[in-house]
Amino acid sequence: GQNIDQPTEMTATEGAIVQINCTYQTSGFNGLFWYQQHAGEAPTFLSYNVLDGLEEKGRFSSFLSRSKGYSYLLLKELQMKDSASYLCAVLNAGNNRKLIWGLGTSLAVNP
Amino acid sequence: DTGVSQDPRHKITKRGQNVTFRCDPISEHNRLYWYRQTLGQGPEFLTYFQNEAQLEKSRLLSDRFSAERPKGSFSTLEIQRTEQGDSAMYLCASSGQGIHEQYFGPGTRLTVT
Repeated sequence: GQNIDQPTEMTATEGAIVQINCTYQTSGFNGLFWYQQHAGEAPTFLSYNVLDGLEEKGRFSSFLSRSKGYSYLLLKELQMKDSASYLCAVLNAGNNRKLIWGLGTSLAVNP
Repeated sequence: DTGVSQDPRHKITKRGQNVTFRCDPISEHNRLYWYRQTLGQGPEFLTYFQNEAQLEKSRLLSDRFSAERPKGSFSTLEIQRTEQGDSAMYLCASSGQGIHEQYFGPGTRLTVT
């Protein structure tokens, strides 16, 4: 079977750092994505990891460990506008390039 | 290029009616995806096109759903005899050759009354 797990909800304070974890078990793996989705809007691409290690992009960083089936998204210097759902998705192996999605982590940033 | 566009943004229909949605991908992208998303859930894969060929269709998709991409550019998703359970956000995404990430359109929110 294919399964992606991430926490349902998290809260954090403005200016702080938060780490959102994602574990996955999939039949194939061709990379892992993080997307941000504000309420009522479409998902927006944040990061893509296919090799082990940390990818940093401004205030956001994403880490991948393929051997552990684990990734995290790190958000630094949190701002109120970071309140959103964060979706972890695994790119399936093969030709269809299908994304397998987690249910998302709803992050609330409080002042 | 302004990204992926979808039309309409909102659709309210009565149960039993047919609806059709349109997606215009980023112009140089050859792959196009349709997803459905309900509140509190991640996107659910519906179908995938590479150019004009429909390469995969979710087994969750009933025969009431059909999608086309006749010229390998825009795509349409039709739902026949809509049911209340079809109420959801319908998302379209596209990606290009050698590009891993999928770029999403704003979605069409369908409400079946």
